[in-house]
Amino acid sequence: AQKITQTQPGMFVQEKEAVTLDCTYDTSDQSYGLFWYKQPSSGEMIFLIYQGSYDEQNATEGRYSLNFQKARKSANLVISASQLGDSAMYFCAMRELSGSARQLTFGSGTQLTVLP
Amino acid sequence: KAGVTQTPRYLIKTRGQQVTLSCSPISGHRSVSWYQQTPGQGLQFLFEYFSETQRNKGNFPGRFSGRQFSNSRSEMNVSTLELGDSALYLCASSYTSGGAYEQYFGPGTRLTVT
Repeated sequence: AQKITQTQPGMFVQEKEAVTLDCTYDTSDQSYGLFWYKQPSSGEMIFLIYQGSYDEQNATEGRYSLNFQKARKSANLVISASQLGDSAMYFCAMRELSGSARQLTFGSGTQLTVLP
Repeated sequence: KAGVTQTPRYLIKTRGQQVTLSCSPISGHRSVSWYQQTPGQGLQFLFEYFSETQRNKGNFPGRFSGRQFSNSRSEMNVSTLELGDSALYLCASSYTSGGAYEQYFGPGTRLTVT
């Protein structure tokens, strides 16, 4: 069974600095996708970035990059030049792509607070 | 293009009642998935519908059910509500079943059971 672990319940970062949010995963599947979502206090889940298990390069989307280390089964999110609007809950998620289970499995989340 | 919409946004029900939540996916999307989010259990998958057929179901009791219409709109129903059903219910739409990186979430329906 797939499992996502986020060990940082809360993180603080100074505005304009970079921050890394940790995510480790466990799966026996060889084909899977890893995702990061942002959830502001309004509740909506906002898709940030995606990394496929066979992608050789780390994914990047603007200020977001995913530090994918397959051997260590980690998929950390790096946010560069933090902004006050980045304060939110961040979830790491995974979907196994080769089986019949199509749902996303989420980690417990990290509450990020950006300080002015 | 309009995003995923969910109605109602907030709902208060009494224990024992039933409730129906609605989700309208992004135009052209045929897959709708439902998730329950609670402080204690986090985000948990309920079920997925694709082309009016349930494709996958999470580990929830039979009180939780859903359906999808020919226009891809989906409803989920919870019967005999319990206090523990209080949660944020999120739906997500995607063009295909399993097209995870295309999965867009709606704003959620916050259900409170008293």
